[in-house]
Amino acid sequence: EDQVTQSPEALRLQEGESSSLNCSYTVSGLRGLFWYRQDPGKGPEFLFTLYSAGEEKEKERLKATLTKKESFLHITAPKPEDSATYLCAVLTSGNTGKLIFGQGTTLQVKP
Amino acid sequence: DGGITQSPKYLFRKEGQNVTLSCEQNLNHDAMYWYRQDPGQGLRLIYYSQIVNDFQKGDIAEGYSVSREKKESFPLTVTSAQKNPTAFYLCASSIRTGGDSQPQHFGDGTRLSIL
Repeated sequence: EDQVTQSPEALRLQEGESSSLNCSYTVSGLRGLFWYRQDPGKGPEFLFTLYSAGEEKEKERLKATLTKKESFLHITAPKPEDSATYLCAVLTSGNTGKLIFGQGTTLQVKP
Repeated sequence: DGGITQSPKYLFRKEGQNVTLSCEQNLNHDAMYWYRQDPGQGLRLIYYSQIVNDFQKGDIAEGYSVSREKKESFPLTVTSAQKNPTAFYLCASSIRTGGDSQPQHFGDGTRLSIL
């Protein structure tokens, strides 16, 4: 069964304290892995797409990486405005665009 | 600005009542989706549509219905058969399904509660 698991469920950081969020997946074939940011009461906001192992994408303080079994979202010197829930989703081969979502990691950055 | 508009933001359903959630997009996207989000769970797919007048069931379609009469619109009806409708409902769209793995873009959701 295709599965996506995110860890930790919740993460508290001090401003400036770098860390990483994990998204591990067990799927029959990977066509793409997506990272989203979701603020309370809002819809997910698209951040990155990764397609193959070894690929990396960066945006401001965020950097996403991909291996054959997991993806990491690295947050460098986070600020309080980075506080949100980060969602990982996998598009598997053989389907028609359906995503499998992880349950998310809720990040809180304290000043 | 292009985007996805969901309405209403909050909705309350009485016992035995059907309610309809609106989703409109002006991104000229072919594919549209409905998800349900519950606390501590990943988004779960209810229905999706790749073209006008065609749609497919997702993983949790029971108690829901949709229509796709226009490219821009994909309303979701939560019927009285859905016994646990309290959740945050998200509509999404993408350029097209399959093939080139384009990301889905989301609206800001409708929170449905039971009275």
